[in-house]
Amino acid sequence: DAGVIQSPRHEVTEMGQEVTLRCKPISGHNSLFWYRQTMMRGLELLIYFNNNVPIDDSGMPEDRFSAKMPNASFSTLKIQPSEPRDSAVYFCASSLRGQGSQETQYFGPGTRLLVL
Amino acid sequence: SQKIEQNSEALNIQEGKTATLTCNYTNYSPAYLQWYRQDPGRGPVFLLLIRENEKEKRKERLKVTFDTTLKQSLFHITASQPADSATYLCALGGGYNKLIFGAGTRLAVHP
Repeated sequence: DAGVIQSPRHEVTEMGQEVTLRCKPISGHNSLFWYRQTMMRGLELLIYFNNNVPIDDSGMPEDRFSAKMPNASFSTLKIQPSEPRDSAVYFCASSLRGQGSQETQYFGPGTRLLVL
Repeated sequence: SQKIEQNSEALNIQEGKTATLTCNYTNYSPAYLQWYRQDPGRGPVFLLLIRENEKEKRKERLKVTFDTTLKQSLFHITASQPADSATYLCALGGGYNKLIFGAGTRLAVHP
């Protein structure tokens, strides 16, 4: 299994630009999570999906952030317009939710975003 | 609001000793609690899960305890090795496999 795949691994952009982060969850998993990690705030849950449907987006910091999951094998997190305070490492994780399943989340390698 | 506290300061121990990390929480009744390991530049990796009706769980050199009355979990690494040096994250579990993570404790095991 290839694990959770994220792209790009690194992104440097200028303030005001649109940023799109991509995630491919583990095949067969039905839950997908987007996190942001900074030194100051730790690992914060932004939004999560179950069976491609957003369940809770209360962690999304502002309307500048949006996330989609058009199918079971792909999700995007978009920031438009980006600001310097959005600089962080963004992780995608997936898990299998259901009877008899484990609640383990499998994390991708993360996207390190720097907004200048 | 929900709050999870882990030792903010790094834990330094000598190789071969037992490392004990603490996770305290308030305003939450998790169905389960998990511990993850995170190495620099990488995503967290799952280590152990313990449910609310379990007191203790073991896996090789790892041991986790869960006291729902004290609202505390302890994570032990016995016979620690330099390769155990990493940041360890505590996470509280709820519906839809949602996790709320603590800030993590950095462990340094010295030869």
